[in-house]
Amino acid sequence: SYELTQPPSVSVSPGQTARITCSGDALPKQYAYWYQQKPGQAPVLVIYKDSERPSGIPERFSGSSSGTTVTLTISGVQAEDEADYYCQSADSSGTYPGVFGTGTKVTVL
Amino acid sequence: QVQLVQSGAEVKKPGASVKVSCKASGYTFTSYYMHWVRQAPGQGLEWMGIINPSGGSTSYAQKFQGRVTMTRDTSTSTVYMELSSLRSEDTAVYYCARDVSDTAMVPEWYFDLWGRGTLVTVSS
Repeated sequence: SYELTQPPSVSVSPGQTARITCSGDALPKQYAYWYQQKPGQAPVLVIYKDSERPSGIPERFSGSSSGTTVTLTISGVQAEDEADYYCQSADSSGTYPGVFGTGTKVTVL
Repeated sequence: QVQLVQSGAEVKKPGASVKVSCKASGYTFTSYYMHWVRQAPGQGLEWMGIINPSGGSTSYAQKFQGRVTMTRDTSTSTVYMELSSLRSEDTAVYYCARDVSDTAMVPEWYFDLWGRGTLVTVSS
């Protein structure tokens, strides 16, 4: 199987910057996607194809990629950004196309 | 309004089967692939499989092959996910999620529209 590894938790004060990493061997070859999930709700796509932002997603959400790690950055964190965040990608051969990362809980202090 | 409406919560005994529905509205049902993703309590997201609502072809995650069946009814714009031989570890919220890609192309394997989820509880 293929694994995408995220830190379990990230804590940040309001107005500061939160960075969430996702590591996987195939990330240099495969796009990554990021979802935000608030308690009791379905996930919402916040970044696609490493760094593209869907319409309606605030500009404070951005994505980047470097080697085997992709990063979701939330600039000027707001209380409403407290949620779980999941990366998603695929292995290099496409055998495992819909793999999700382990998830990161973002806590706004 | 573009939305996916899922069926209500289910309680099943171990060994039984469950069939969850997901009704699409507000867009052309056969134009977008549909996926199923589940989430056990307090756990992460797990991709289960994909169905092409246009032709009905499917592909399942290895973990679920032999136990899961995904079907669709184009007359009602509804996709179904049936999971058999249920065990306690199958207790989870099951989501349908729409692929961003048109069915005339290959799936993109990411999702721009989700249902609200269906809780399936497996308990004796």
